[in-house]
Amino acid sequence: SQTIHQWPATLVQPVGSPLSLECTVEGTSNPNLYWYRQAAGRGLQLLFYSVGIGQISSEVPQNLSASRPQDRQFILSSKKLLLSDSGFYLCAWSVDISYEQYFGPGTRLTVT
Amino acid sequence: AQTVTQSQPEMSVQEAETVTLSCTYDTSENNYYLFWYKQPPSRQMILVIRQEAYKQQNATENRFSVNFQKAAKSFSLKISDSQLGDTAMYFCAFMTTDSWGKFQFGAGTQVVVTP
Repeated sequence: SQTIHQWPATLVQPVGSPLSLECTVEGTSNPNLYWYRQAAGRGLQLLFYSVGIGQISSEVPQNLSASRPQDRQFILSSKKLLLSDSGFYLCAWSVDISYEQYFGPGTRLTVT
Repeated sequence: AQTVTQSQPEMSVQEAETVTLSCTYDTSENNYYLFWYKQPPSRQMILVIRQEAYKQQNATENRFSVNFQKAAKSFSLKISDSQLGDTAMYFCAFMTTDSWGKFQFGAGTQVVVTP
């Protein structure tokens, strides 16, 4: 069966510090991968998606970036965090672009 | 651009009762998919049900069923025999077949099931 992992589960970082959130998927090959952000009490906003290694599409221009160094690994990064980067970050995968997405447990990021 | 609207920020229902959540969407596309996800207090997003736009038959999944009205662009979720474990935020999501799996989510409806 397929599983998706995210770490860390929670993170508190000062403004201006770097960020690296990791997402890995097990039990499937060549998944489509997605990063979402959920602000408190709000819906999900798609940040990045990837249909293959090294292929990253950005949905929202901001100081975040994403990379996919391996088939089942998706990383969300920032060189300098802003207060507005606080939120709940969810990674998701799908077997095909026409299929439902399965979400990881999420990372709660607080920028202080 | 596609938009998804959930007009009910919060709904309360007693155990064993039925609650219906509304969702409307706006699109000019003819081929698309609709989903309902639930997010319990753990914040894990869980797929509840999926509907293909080309199917006239409404999807059902145990106690969860949808009323899909394509012409009206409406996709409501009915939770029957509500259980305490159904307490969660429910999100309606929309995806076109040519959007590379990019979901458009509604703002969510908080469902609270009371004993």
